[in-house]
Parts: sequence; C-alpha cells; structure tokens
Amino acid sequence: GAGVSQSPSNKVTEKGKDVELRCDPISGHTALYWYRQSLGQGLEFLIYFQGNSAPDKSGLPSDRFSAERTGGSVSTLTIQRTQQEDSAVYLCASSLAPTNTGELFFGEGSRLTVL
Amino acid sequence: GEDVEQSLFLSVREGDSSVINCTYTDSSSTYLYWYKQEPGAGLQLLTYIFSNMDMKQDQRLTVLLNKKDKHLSLRIADTQTGDSAIYFCAVNAGNNRKLIWGLGTSLAVNP
Repeated sequence: GAGVSQSPSNKVTEKGKDVELRCDPISGHTALYWYRQSLGQGLEFLIYFQGNSAPDKSGLPSDRFSAERTGGSVSTLTIQRTQQEDSAVYLCASSLAPTNTGELFFGEGSRLTVL
Repeated sequence: GEDVEQSLFLSVREGDSSVINCTYTDSSSTYLYWYKQEPGAGLQLLTYIFSNMDMKQDQRLTVLLNKKDKHLSLRIADTQTGDSAIYFCAVNAGNNRKLIWGLGTSLAVNP
C-alpha cells in the first residue's frame, strides 16, 4: 500500500505473555520510529531507526521492550512478559531522511490491551 | 529537559474560529509542527513553520510563531464539524530524530 501499515490493529493478551507488533513503512523511507500513546498522555518516543545506523533506543522504557528492522524495511516491536501498564496504542511512523520538513507519516497504530 | 505544553480541550461552535495554543522550551527548535489525529486514525501532518518565520497561512489554517515567548498557535477559520480531532504540537529538538510532542488538544466542534 501507499501508507504505513501496522498489524495487528488490535491485540488483547494476558499479563506475562510476549507480543510482537509489526510495521511496514512507506517504500523508500529510510527512517522509522516507534511511539507509544497512552490514554491521556502524549506521544512517547520509543526507538528510531535510520538506514544502516545503530538504532536510537533511548526511549525504550525497560529491557522487556526490543525492536528490530530487517533489510531496512519492516520493523517488529517485541514486548516480553507484558504488564498491564504496557496497554497503549503503539504507533509507527516513517519518513524520508534527511528531510527538510521532518514530516512523519504515521500508521493507524496497534492497540494493545494487557489483561 | 525539553517540554511542549498545550491545553487539553477546546470547544467551539461551527463556523467560529478555533485557536489552539502551544508553548515550548527548546529555543533551538528549527521546525515546529501541527499534527492532526482523527478518531481511530494515525497522526497526519497538518502544517509546519520554520523558526525564521512569524506566520504561515494555508487556506483556513494560520500558524503564528512568537519565538521570544516560545509560543506557537494554530488558528482554524470557519471551523467545521470535520475539524473535530486531537491536534498535536511538536517541535524538533535540534534534529529530526526525537520530536518533542505536546499532549494534544482535543477540539470539539458543536453544530
């Protein structure tokens, strides 16, 4: 498709289970971001990938969170041993980099509910 | 650290103008953005302004930047029910990697 695609759109899991969230960025976009949006909170930066450079993982909240980007395209965000506080919408965005406007193109998000 | 603040709610009547305000702390920010998030959807860039500009107009949208006060505003003229959404202010922190985001202003347009 033409936009950023995320799957699943909704995920309900039990506390302690692992989950994987997938992001398929816009073709040709070298920069990819993961954000977390919790109810009543702004966008929380999680991780940033740019081409073949080492990812900026400074936003990952704990070592239960990890992400990878294979072949400079699809990215997977993995949350191990999920906790109830992990419940949120996980947004993926991609952009052309470098970009003058810094415009990020967002997917519709994956809503994670941890019971 | 860097921070972006905006009011959480705004309610206007259809046809009126809406003004959404944002303040930020990083004086080195070069790009300032307004993103719109409609219910159940991802964020979409609405408009942006460079730090060397005071104003930018795009159809019904007017962005005003006061660098001295680190204040950014978004004015929507002739607000329509389709403008109901959450509006996020974001500024770059010296680079484009980590945009600093406000919490979003939820705009409700009443018929």
